[in-house]
Amino acid sequence: EAGVTQSPTHLIKTRGQQATLRCSPISGHTSVYWYQQALGLGLQFLLWYDEGEERNRGNFPPRFSGRQFPNYSSELNVNALELEDSALYLCASSPGLAGGRHTQYFGPGTRLTVL
Amino acid sequence: AQSVAQPEDQVNVAEGNPLTVKCTYSVSGNPYLFWYVQYPNRGLQFLLKYITGDNLVKGSYGFEAEFNKSQTSFHLKKPSALVSDSALYFCAFSGGSGNTGKLIFGQGTTLQVKP
Repeated sequence: EAGVTQSPTHLIKTRGQQATLRCSPISGHTSVYWYQQALGLGLQFLLWYDEGEERNRGNFPPRFSGRQFPNYSSELNVNALELEDSALYLCASSPGLAGGRHTQYFGPGTRLTVL
Repeated sequence: AQSVAQPEDQVNVAEGNPLTVKCTYSVSGNPYLFWYVQYPNRGLQFLLKYITGDNLVKGSYGFEAEFNKSQTSFHLKKPSALVSDSALYFCAFSGGSGNTGKLIFGQGTTLQVKP
């Protein structure tokens, strides 16, 4: 069974540009989560989508947004990139809305570098 | 605020010796507790979780963790460490008093196993 996949592996952008990161969940999983792992800041929750709806959002500015498609894949968009957005962005998936008791399985991440 | 703490930035053990990576939590309600491992430039791999029931949880790769409600701890253990266990380990929780979908992570502990 294929795990969570993310693309691209690496992404280099300049300040002010927009970045789009993609995630495909494990087959059968309806929930997708996004996390940011920035140096010195640890792992921070960004967004949770289930059945196409945004279910929860972490403490990030509105320029971080995303969506979930009918096939449950997801996209994370970061607008007006700032240097501090440089981080590893991790996507995870789980079965649906039963919430925290489900294990979240993580993808390999997208390394975003903002110059 | 609800949180988990990993009091050691780094743990050093000799190969073949038992290892312990510590985690304490401060969560209201009944949290679900998890351990994940991260190898360099990789995503997170799930090791084990505690939801309810038996306080000793067995997981992948020979790891186990003991849930102690009175000490609010969830330490990760392995009877005999391998060099290949060297990685970054994260304790996390979800649930508690609300279904937010997000995992709250500790700051991580680097495990170094020396031959």
